[in-house]
Amino acid sequence: QLTQSPSSLSASVGDRVTITCRASQAISNYLAWYQVKPGKAPNLLIFAASTLQSGVPSRFRGSGSGTDFTLTISSLQPEDLATYYCQQLDRYPLTFGGGTKVEIK
Amino acid sequence: LLVESGGAVVQPGGSLRLSCAASGFTFDDYMMHWVRQGPGKGLEWVSLISWDGTKTYYADSVKGRFSISRDNTRNSLSLQMNSLRTEDTALYFCAKASGYCTGASCYPYYGLDVWGQGTTVTVSS
Repeated sequence: QLTQSPSSLSASVGDRVTITCRASQAISNYLAWYQVKPGKAPNLLIFAASTLQSGVPSRFRGSGSGTDFTLTISSLQPEDLATYYCQQLDRYPLTFGGGTKVEIK
Repeated sequence: LLVESGGAVVQPGGSLRLSCAASGFTFDDYMMHWVRQGPGKGLEWVSLISWDGTKTYYADSVKGRFSISRDNTRNSLSLQMNSLRTEDTALYFCAKASGYCTGASCYPYYGLDVWGQGTTVTVSS
């Protein structure tokens, strides 16, 4: 089971935003982060907890291992309006966190 | 590129078969997933199939009712859905997996890196 927090947040352009994902059991670093914009397919941002997917802006950063993980957006941009999900890929069934909706103030 | 099709309105207890057409990559080199998102809900992983179709994995919520398969000669992925329930109502995505399989199991460790736009399934009387 994956627990994401917060479930929603509102921040200003340029702010640093942090989303956390906690696993109920250790999952090594087999965690991915996705961005889902309204009406669009999910987009892989980070895999293996901290590896940036090709083409993803460097303001996105993932960290963590074991049970505690973090997605950080270093300087929030208007186009980052979206819901963010973590996913554990260590064991079956694969599971997603509940999502964090990011709004722009 | 991944393009899903087959979504429809179906009655509870009914069946439906979804398809996903793949292009732009060597389809039979990769595992493939189905993921769904119910209205107003989060993402839910549904199923995974190995590159050769010999290994399949399912969410507990669909095990015994859904069946994933693939046809590598047609670059096509399918999801056969039986005994449909209202809670199966969702937008269904196919996605390409990044990882590897051994003789024992598959390890999709590196995420879902290509997604289709989804096809909508509505289960309602």
